[in-house]
Amino acid sequence: DAKTTQPNSMESNEEEPVHLPCNHSTISGTDYIHWYRQLPSQGPEYVIHGLTSNVNNRMASLAIAEDRKSSTLILHRATLRDAAVYYCILRDSQNAGGTSYGKLTFGQGTILTVHP
Amino acid sequence: NAGVTQTPKFRILKIGQSMTLQCTQDMNHNYMYWYRQDPGMGLKLIYYSVGAGITDKGEVPNGYNVSRSTTEDFPLRLELAAPSQTSVYFCASSYPTDRGRAGELFFGEGSRLTVL
Repeated sequence: DAKTTQPNSMESNEEEPVHLPCNHSTISGTDYIHWYRQLPSQGPEYVIHGLTSNVNNRMASLAIAEDRKSSTLILHRATLRDAAVYYCILRDSQNAGGTSYGKLTFGQGTILTVHP
Repeated sequence: NAGVTQTPKFRILKIGQSMTLQCTQDMNHNYMYWYRQDPGMGLKLIYYSVGAGITDKGEVPNGYNVSRSTTEDFPLRLELAAPSQTSVYFCASSYPTDRGRAGELFFGEGSRLTVL
């Protein structure tokens, strides 16, 4: 699996936007960019994904660089409930001999602290 | 629609005992995964399955066994429990990344295992 690099931690104030960066310089053309977050004492939850174009959903926006070697998860107005570990992961969409890849590798992620 | 259900939520084992962590999903997902998460660390893949009757090792399979007799169930067996297996275990499921699907993972709430 291609590797991602994220800052260990970031801080934000409540109601302010948060930009969480992720570098993935070895991304292949068939890799989806996935973001997950893990709230304290819970399992990870899916946030958003993208392939080439920027994406928006009710939780966040994903901005993907033109060369796809980096991406940024944007939380438009951070709340205290957004304090979590955020993981950026590459998910291969390529089928190989009819069998899709199953493995998904989580890195250390970014610990986001939100101050009241 | 319950999603991914794991049992038990908590368990204490003595060294050398064996047990099975149960995982079931009702989303008809082909892929299922077992991860472990040690305190303050990211998730590590133990085993995964791309369909009934098919399983494969992840990063840290030693000391564990899995089976996948049905689409819904993916139990994780711990044989001869050791203190190093003290961890939180997460089961997840997804569609494969084909037919335009990004294959986002859905996680259970986790099973906290302590081996003394």
